[in-house]
Parts: sequence; structure tokens; C-alpha cells
Amino acid sequence: AQKVTQAQTEISVVEKEDVTLDCVYETRDTTYYLFWYKQPPSGELVFLIRRNSFDEQNEISGRYSWNFQKSTSSFNFTITASQVVDSAVYFCALSETLEGSYIPTFGRGTSLIVHP
Amino acid sequence: DADVTQTPRNRITKTGKRIMLECSQTKGHDRMYWYRQDPGLGLRLIYYSFDVKDINKGEISDGYSVSRQAQAKFSLSLESAIPNQTALYFCATSAQSNQPQHFGDGTRLSIL
Repeated sequence: AQKVTQAQTEISVVEKEDVTLDCVYETRDTTYYLFWYKQPPSGELVFLIRRNSFDEQNEISGRYSWNFQKSTSSFNFTITASQVVDSAVYFCALSETLEGSYIPTFGRGTSLIVHP
Repeated sequence: DADVTQTPRNRITKTGKRIMLECSQTKGHDRMYWYRQDPGLGLRLIYYSFDVKDINKGEISDGYSVSRQAQAKFSLSLESAIPNQTALYFCATSAQSNQPQHFGDGTRLSIL
């Protein structure tokens, strides 16, 4: 079973639409960390956000917002008023303890295509 | 200059060849990682190292080996390359394992 599930393989929207990328995780740890990364068509991986398991506050950064819900083991990412430059593959990742150290595990990614 | 540098950026080679992918970083991070990315499979961890004397296998280490020559350098080797090792390979670093990772630009490897 996957520890990090991004069920949406590909999402296609038209510019200015809002879009939510889902991330569901599985862990037995009480302390863990969640991340989102962006991979634009140029290929590099860019860190977007980190959230620890004790901080369930939602976060907003410009057009981006993140909704962390421990009750449903989800850490969803919403882009408001999407733009063509948002087109990318987005990865959710979980860092949990393994033999005393945190080891990151990535989801399979969601490819977002924003059409003009 | 990039904080995490991977060389080469692209490589095409033949089955059976030995290949080394190199990674160097200027971030001063102790933790370094090698991942491979395949379409639809995301990033999968090959090996990771928490310091120069520490090497650990990841999810898919078979067919690969690594060397941590210094804090700043972490190399990935394919001793005898096979076509299903064709992929995009990323090196990453982090200050701590619960901190964000910083990635190199990737090495696109094709094995014919």
C-alpha cells in the first residue's frame, strides 16, 4: 500500500479556475512532516510547503492554500484562479520515522495542465 | 551557481556499461539522497546518507551502489546498466530529514 496517495493522475483546467490537488497519507507516527513540491515542465523540483503533524492550521500563500486534516489523513493543495504558469507536476511527500530517522516518501504526483 | 549540482545532465549508454552519476552540494547539508523518477511512479528513493560514514538502502537499491566521498559529494553507480534503469535521476540534500529537500536539476539516463 502506498504511504502517500495522490489519486488524481492528471487534472486539466482552464485559466482562472480554482483547482484542488488531493493528498492522502498513511502513518503510525504521531510526529511526522508533510511537504508539497512543484515540478514545472523544465524539470526541476521546487519546495512549496512543509507542515508538521502538530500544526493543523491551514496556510495561505498568495493564490496557494493548503488544508491539513489529521482526522482524514489528508493534506490538500488548492490553487485559486489558476494560471498557465501553474502547469506542472505536483508531488506530496511524507517524512516519518524509520529506525529513529525521518525518511521521506513521495506520492506519484498529479500533473496539472492549465489551458489559456 | 546551483546549490546542488548533478553531472552529467544527460547520458546515453549501452547495456552492460558501468555508469557513475555525480552530485555535489554547497549547502553544507549532512543528508544526501538519490532518487529515480519514472512516469507515473513519482520519486523513489534509491540510497540515502546522513553523513560521510553512513550509507543506507532505500526502496529500490538493487542494481545500484553509492559512495559518499565527502560531505559535499555523493555518487551513484550502476555497475552493469540495464534498459529498465532508464529514468530521470535526482540528487537531493537536506539539513535534517524533516526539513525540505533541495534537488539538483536531474540526470536523464538512457540505456540502450
